[in-house]
Amino acid sequence: SQQGEEDPQALSIQEGENATMNCSYKTSINNLQWYRQNSGRGLVHLILIRSNEREKHSGRLRVTLDTSKKSSSLLITASRAADTASYFCATDKRDAGGYQKVTFGIGTKLQVIP
Amino acid sequence: DGGITQSPKYLFRKEGQNVTLSCEQNLNHDAMYWYRQDPGQGLRLIYYSQIVNDFQKGDIAEGYSVSREKKESFPLTVTSAQKNPTAFYLCASSTGSREQFFGPGTRLTVL
Repeated sequence: SQQGEEDPQALSIQEGENATMNCSYKTSINNLQWYRQNSGRGLVHLILIRSNEREKHSGRLRVTLDTSKKSSSLLITASRAADTASYFCATDKRDAGGYQKVTFGIGTKLQVIP
Repeated sequence: DGGITQSPKYLFRKEGQNVTLSCEQNLNHDAMYWYRQDPGQGLRLIYYSQIVNDFQKGDIAEGYSVSREKKESFPLTVTSAQKNPTAFYLCASSTGSREQFFGPGTRLTVL
């Protein structure tokens, strides 16, 4: 079963605008991560936010985490055409055996129009 | 260069055949993962492993098998029991509760 669900599933914006993507999850987590995937390629890690953190920044990226609502958002400011990709959230938690289990959402497909 | 590699890039399977996808990492990571991605979809966890000679079933393990005889290697076998194996397969590795590093993927097609 998918732990995370991204919203919206697709987003189209003009270059220079901000893009916001949301992720909801179901169970408690150790951390939440955001990844980017260009078509037909592997995923690239963008940012990790731990369960005791509320906000984190990295360049033009801003991630928030609300553990009470079990949700996170990824904001990309001043978007560029090169930001066109699919974005996924992933949750990291311990399974019943104490092993680290990382599961992904269905993703948001972002298109930035030049 | 440190990294994670997958081979082959493209793989074709006939009905009833088993095929094995390779995943190797030289990052000295303890944990390795296999995911399946269908067109326009997210990643679904097949198997994961934290240490050598130990692995756990993910959310869609039926029809797949793995081994972890070496820390660097985590091959995935798609068996004939997997009825709909056509997909993009991604391998990843990580250490502790930290980010995953992904390989470039293997695209499997059933003929």
